[in-house]
Amino acid sequence: AQSVTQLDSQVPVFEEAPVELRCNYSSSVSVYLFWYVQYPNQGLQLLLKYLSGSTLVKGINGFEAEFNKSQTSFHLRKPSVHISDTAEYFCAVSDLGRDDKIIFGKGTRLHILP
Amino acid sequence: DTAVSQTPKYLVTQMGNDKSIKCEQNLGHDTMYWYKQDSKKFLKIMFSYNNKELIINETVPNRFSPKSPDKAHLNLHINSLELGDSAVYFCASSPRLAGNEQFFGPGTRLTVL
Repeated sequence: AQSVTQLDSQVPVFEEAPVELRCNYSSSVSVYLFWYVQYPNQGLQLLLKYLSGSTLVKGINGFEAEFNKSQTSFHLRKPSVHISDTAEYFCAVSDLGRDDKIIFGKGTRLHILP
Repeated sequence: DTAVSQTPKYLVTQMGNDKSIKCEQNLGHDTMYWYKQDSKKFLKIMFSYNNKELIINETVPNRFSPKSPDKAHLNLHINSLELGDSAVYFCASSPRLAGNEQFFGPGTRLTVL
């Protein structure tokens, strides 16, 4: 069965500094990988996804993530964060060819310090 | 606006009551979902429907019953509400194929007193 581990429950970072949010997954088959963002009191929206091809995926709001199959990781990065990036970030995995089920990690709270 | 909408946004009720949450999507998607997000932000899938057919039914108490009158609607009915049912419930939809983005509704915050 697939699973997702987000290693940090909270990440504080100063405004305009770079950030990396870590995500590791486990699955016995090939997977699709996602990062979603949840702003306060809102639903989730997709930041980016990896289905196949280039292992470096670019998303919205200047975020990118790199798929590393050997390390089973899909870490999210941004070179310079803004106060508006304050949110909860969820990594998610879906097995190829399964019943559209996506397993979410427990989330990482990104806290931007002024 | 094209979107996933949920009603109500907030729901406060007493233990033992029965309540429903409605969800509608006008994105033309075939698949719809219900998720429960607890106070620690943990997001867990409850149900998935594809073209009105139940696809995913996770280990959820049978007090929870989803109903899909058509592929644009997926409602959630909860009987005999308990304190532990307090959470934010999200509806989502996606195209049928795996790997497609799920579009989430704004959530319904359920508080059971």
